[in-house]
Amino acid sequence: AQSVTQLDSQVPVFEEAPVELRCNYSSSVSVYLFWYVQYPNQGLQLLLKYLSGSTLVKGINGFEAEFNKSQTSFHLRKPSVHISDTAEYFCAVSERGSNYQLIWGAGTKLIIKP
Amino acid sequence: DAGVIQSPRHEVTEMGQEVTLRCKPISGHNSLFWYRQTMMRGLELLIYFNNNVPIDDSGMPEDRFSAKMPNASFSTLKIQPSEPRDSAVYFCASSPGQGIGEAFFGQGTRLTVV
Repeated sequence: AQSVTQLDSQVPVFEEAPVELRCNYSSSVSVYLFWYVQYPNQGLQLLLKYLSGSTLVKGINGFEAEFNKSQTSFHLRKPSVHISDTAEYFCAVSERGSNYQLIWGAGTKLIIKP
Repeated sequence: DAGVIQSPRHEVTEMGQEVTLRCKPISGHNSLFWYRQTMMRGLELLIYFNNNVPIDDSGMPEDRFSAKMPNASFSTLKIQPSEPRDSAVYFCASSPGQGIGEAFFGQGTRLTVV
């Protein structure tokens, strides 16, 4: 992947409201797609991944993401957020055949307002 | 499995001192990564090992940084001499190495160089 763009550095949202965190990538080959979550003072944890098959992927904590090949996007969604979802979310891409290289987005901080 | 284990969790050292960070990857994973995370630069890949062999160290900032992986269950990242600009959170991650790129992260070591 040439690059991964997370369009929003911060997303404030009210508790119980829906949220979408955007991720776009550029690559000339097929890719694997990931969303990771980083809670304060912790490491990164895999939220969900797209490897193949259905373009709608469900992850932990009620999150889901949809792979859109034509738009080269992999946006993350949750229908109703909770205060415990406060964290930074990272989109990452690896190109098929690269064997290891994860290309990371800059991250989006999800801020839940009570 | 206990996951990726890093030690220490926190390290405060004086400028010029040697610092050694340690990592135990998940058993059976044959790929290991060292990352650095700062507010300014985000998440940076420092070095990647596959089957204990360094494959890509192009992200290592300078000669003050060195990494070793003497066996499949242990890796170290050393900074000698340390400088205040090395202050960051350093993450170790391991991967099954199936060519997908998914990585499992440790909790990180927060390094402060004063």
